[in-house]
Amino acid sequence: DAKTTQPNSMESNEEEPVHLPCNHSTISGTDYIHWYRQLPSQGPEYVIHGLTSNVNNRMASLAIAEDRKSSTLILHRATLRDAAVYYCILPYSGGGADGLTFGKGTHLIIQP
Amino acid sequence: NAGVTQTPKFQVLKTGQSMTLQCAQDMNHEYMSWYRQDPGMGLRLIHYSVGAGITDQGEVPNGYNVSRSTTEDFPLRLLSAAPSQTSVYFCASSSGLANTGELFFGEGSRLTVL
Repeated sequence: DAKTTQPNSMESNEEEPVHLPCNHSTISGTDYIHWYRQLPSQGPEYVIHGLTSNVNNRMASLAIAEDRKSSTLILHRATLRDAAVYYCILPYSGGGADGLTFGKGTHLIIQP
Repeated sequence: NAGVTQTPKFQVLKTGQSMTLQCAQDMNHEYMSWYRQDPGMGLRLIHYSVGAGITDQGEVPNGYNVSRSTTEDFPLRLLSAAPSQTSVYFCASSSGLANTGELFFGEGSRLTVL
């Protein structure tokens, strides 16, 4: 299974940009890179996903390295509501199953 | 604006009991899946379905059964609960496959097996 590596935790200040890194050196050519976040006692929430090019949506931007072995989720202006666990995810490929492989994620702390 | 609805939200079972976790979605999504999340861990795929009548195993399928008789519903059955199945269970759906689409998750069902 392709795996991802993320820092256990990161801290940032409110209203500042946040860059969340992720390494995925064993990614396959057709694997999309997904980011989800999870607030306490809630289900994961989709943030963004991409294949090769950088992607933007109303929540965040995703910068993908040219060799696709790493990516960075960018929150342009963090708010207290962005405090959550952020998961960088690749597809689960065991036995041909279709799903996502979640690691432990990065616990993002936002300071007021 | 229901999205993905899971019931029950909380359940306590004794070892050996059976139960069904319900999952329903109102977005006409073909893809549905079940995950479990153990304390301090990420989510692991249990079973998934790409349409009515089609189910398949994920990473940790042992001890769980699923069926998909309608597009809307995807129940998860525990035939003989074990303490190792104590976890939070999440149902998710998508209009496309998990690799290329956006998954919508329910709020979770917290199961404790004594």
